[in-house]
Amino acid sequence: QVQLVQSGAEVKKPGASVKVSCKASGYTFTSYYMHWVRQAPGQGLEWMGIFNPSGGYTSYAQKFQGRLTMTRDTSTSTVSMELSSLRSEDTAVYYCARDYPPSTTVFDYWGQGTLVTVSS
Amino acid sequence: QSALTQPRSVSGSPGQSVTISCTGTSSDVGGYNYVSWYQQHPGKAPKLMIYDVSKRPSGVPDRFSGSKSGNTASLTISGLQAEDEADYYCCSYAGSHTFGVFGGGTKLTVL
Repeated sequence: QVQLVQSGAEVKKPGASVKVSCKASGYTFTSYYMHWVRQAPGQGLEWMGIFNPSGGYTSYAQKFQGRLTMTRDTSTSTVSMELSSLRSEDTAVYYCARDYPPSTTVFDYWGQGTLVTVSS
Repeated sequence: QSALTQPRSVSGSPGQSVTISCTGTSSDVGGYNYVSWYQQHPGKAPKLMIYDVSKRPSGVPDRFSGSKSGNTASLTISGLQAEDEADYYCCSYAGSHTFGVFGGGTKLTVL
């Protein structure tokens, strides 16, 4: 069965960077794009970017341009998201979510979420 | 401020129907038939309920249906059940640079 297992919670200081990983299993890793979505405490969902694990194509939401980097390790079927220059507003649960190929920008499987807390 | 506008809350009694609206613009909801809906229970990851405006993934009850008119999409839940109580989010494709835009979410209360 399809599973996306994310790395554990992180606490970071303002200005630091955080890297969250998402290990995929149960399907062909390189055949499905991956998205990252975040959710601040008590708030709604926010799309961050999309990544192609096959060719490395990325597209990031404009507000994260210059701070967000998505990478992959095909040997471990893992995609990662690194966000730099962290500020308190980046405190959120970060989700990886698989793209649903029959459509576009549809998320059919989600990771369990990773809480990133930015605090001095 | 979210890109798509949803009511903050809706409610209904068991067995009734409720409809949640999702209003965008011609650059997102109105421009593409790529609206999806997600259900999120507290502390859980979202779950896909509807995609491409009105299609249901395997395993989603047919009590859930979607539609769209102009720049507004809607999710209708009929025959409300207690387990439907959750937050619901709409999402629309918005082009090859913005990709996904979400609504602010709607809290459904089953009375």
